[in-house]
Amino acid sequence: GENVEQHPSTLSVQEGDSAVIKCTYSDSASNYFPWYKQELGKRPQLIIDIRSNVGEKKDQRIAVTLNKTAKHFSLHITETQPEDSAVYFCAASIGNTDKLIFGTGTRLQVFP
Amino acid sequence: DVKVTQSSRYLVKRTGEKVFLECVQDMDHENMFWYRQDPGLGLRLIYFSYDVKMKEKGDIPEGYSVSREKKERFSLILESASTNQTSMYLCASRVRQGAYEQYFGPGTRLTVT
Repeated sequence: GENVEQHPSTLSVQEGDSAVIKCTYSDSASNYFPWYKQELGKRPQLIIDIRSNVGEKKDQRIAVTLNKTAKHFSLHITETQPEDSAVYFCAASIGNTDKLIFGTGTRLQVFP
Repeated sequence: DVKVTQSSRYLVKRTGEKVFLECVQDMDHENMFWYRQDPGLGLRLIYFSYDVKMKEKGDIPEGYSVSREKKERFSLILESASTNQTSMYLCASRVRQGAYEQYFGPGTRLTVT
């Protein structure tokens, strides 16, 4: 069946450095790729998403890139801050439906 | 702001008990979802509902059922709780099909002993 692989499972960076989280998906018909951030003890919240007709999208310090040929997409966080510390989940739509399949999560720790 | 609430943050139940997890959203969303979240496995879809009285199986429906009698409320039912159902349960809602963004509740951490 469809699956989404996410790497790394944990990531530690120094404040101010960049962080990159990568996901690969199996279904070439997937057309929507969101990223959710879950702070400790809180609910997941959408931080950025991208559709398959776009290669890159930016929102201040975060960006997402999509390579449809290779079937992978990445989250880039620049100038990381301690408040970026959280678990990040990628997801991909299942085919051209609007159900989502989630990656296994990346725990990002930003040290001051 | 969309508000999705879940009836309990923490719940402890015994093996074999019938368990009800309630989720309510206040934004007239058509779609609602139940996920479970386990370390190293991410979020896995249990059941979802596109509208009142409708329900669809997700990826891991075994051992669960759902009820959606009113648009704002989506209940997850564990008919006979087992220890392997100890997990964090997250409810989510979405405006409608095609809208994509899902809004999550705070989660219920269920422990089955």
